[in-house]
Amino acid sequence: KAGVTQTPRYLIKTRGQQVTLSCSPISGHRSVSWYQQTPGQGLQFLFEYFSETQRNKGNFPGRFSGRQFSNSRSEMNVSTLELGDSALYLCASSPQSGRDEQFFGPGTRLTVL
Amino acid sequence: KQEVTQIPAALSVPEGENLVLNCSFTDSAIYNLQWFRQDPGKGLTSLLLIQSSQREQTSGRLNASLDKSSGRSTLYIAASQPGDSATYLCAVIETGANNLFFGTGTRLTVIP
Repeated sequence: KAGVTQTPRYLIKTRGQQVTLSCSPISGHRSVSWYQQTPGQGLQFLFEYFSETQRNKGNFPGRFSGRQFSNSRSEMNVSTLELGDSALYLCASSPQSGRDEQFFGPGTRLTVL
Repeated sequence: KQEVTQIPAALSVPEGENLVLNCSFTDSAIYNLQWFRQDPGKGLTSLLLIQSSQREQTSGRLNASLDKSSGRSTLYIAASQPGDSATYLCAVIETGANNLFFGTGTRLTVIP
């Protein structure tokens, strides 16, 4: 069974731009969660999607948004990028809920210049 | 507010040694606890999941225990190998929540 895939793996953007990251969960998994990892703040929860609905959201500004499609694939979008958005963005999938064992993708490394 | 702490932040051991990584959490109302490893620049690999009703889980050379009442979990690695070198993270899911709350991590180096 293929694991969680994320594209692109690396991105370089400038301040003020926007970016879209993509995540394909493990086949059959319906819950997708997103996390941000930075050296200063560690791993922080962004949001969770299930059946195309955002079920749970972390403490991030509205510039961070996401969506989930009918095939469970998910995208997250960050608008008006700031230098502090530079991070590794990780996507995790689980069968039904973020409470199940979560399986992570390799991440997208975003650098904002 | 939940706080998850891992001590030590870094650990170096010679190959073959048994070792214990510690994880503590401030709010014992958790649904489960999960241990991960992360290799540099990579994603997280799930190692063990312990439900709140369980005391321990084992997988190969790894054994994780959970003492919910004291807010502690330990990850025991037997007969360490250089390939075990990575950052180890513990994470809890609080009762009523659907997301992982991560600890600060322990960077392990196993010296050949």
